[in-house]
Amino acid sequence: DIQMTQSPASLSASLGETVTIECLASEDIYSNLAWYQQKPGKSPQLLIYYANSLNDGVPSRFSGSGSGTQYSLKINSLQSEDVSIYFCQQNYDSPPTFGAGTKLELK
Amino acid sequence: QVQLKESGPGLVQPSQTLSLTCTVSGFSLTSYHVSWVRQPPGKGLEWMGVIWTGGSTAYNSLLKSRLSISRDTSKSQVFLKMNSLQTEDTATYYCARVGDGTYYPLYVMDAWGQGASVTVSS
Repeated sequence: DIQMTQSPASLSASLGETVTIECLASEDIYSNLAWYQQKPGKSPQLLIYYANSLNDGVPSRFSGSGSGTQYSLKINSLQSEDVSIYFCQQNYDSPPTFGAGTKLELK
Repeated sequence: QVQLKESGPGLVQPSQTLSLTCTVSGFSLTSYHVSWVRQPPGKGLEWMGVIWTGGSTAYNSLLKSRLSISRDTSKSQVFLKMNSLQTEDTATYYCARVGDGTYYPLYVMDAWGQGASVTVSS
């Protein structure tokens, strides 16, 4: 199975700041990388797919980038509603596998 | 609009079988695949398996011997059955719609249910 390593495990940032979350795959996943946001007590919601395609309705302050084995999620101008856990997921090979998550809190 | 809703018992005894139902609306099970994903308390996400639009299934090899996914298209329902439950199976179980590669990529989950919390305990 492809292993997904996310960093950092937790992150504290101030309103208006820019934050970046990293995801490293154990092998080349050819941009088959999705990001999900899970707000407290809620189910995950798709943010980004194909590494950089923003899902419908997702604010433009979210962006994704990367290729090969290294990917990142960037949130510009952090808002209070962005407090969540963020997961990356590879969809290149079965079984699809997730990173352990990054918990984003407000400073 | 697209909706998925899980239902089932909140408490299962060790060694018993878990049965969950995912009722979908806003799309057809013959047009979209559906996966089950679980999340132990305070932990990450684990993909369990998928039922394809044609009715065939694929499972995570770690769970394959204990897991069965089926459906009733006339009722828009997908079923999960997992036997020999242990305490480590305590988790929130989600069903999710899976991309088919035409808009959303395969294995990307674009809509999720609210989740069903399952505790394995005597």
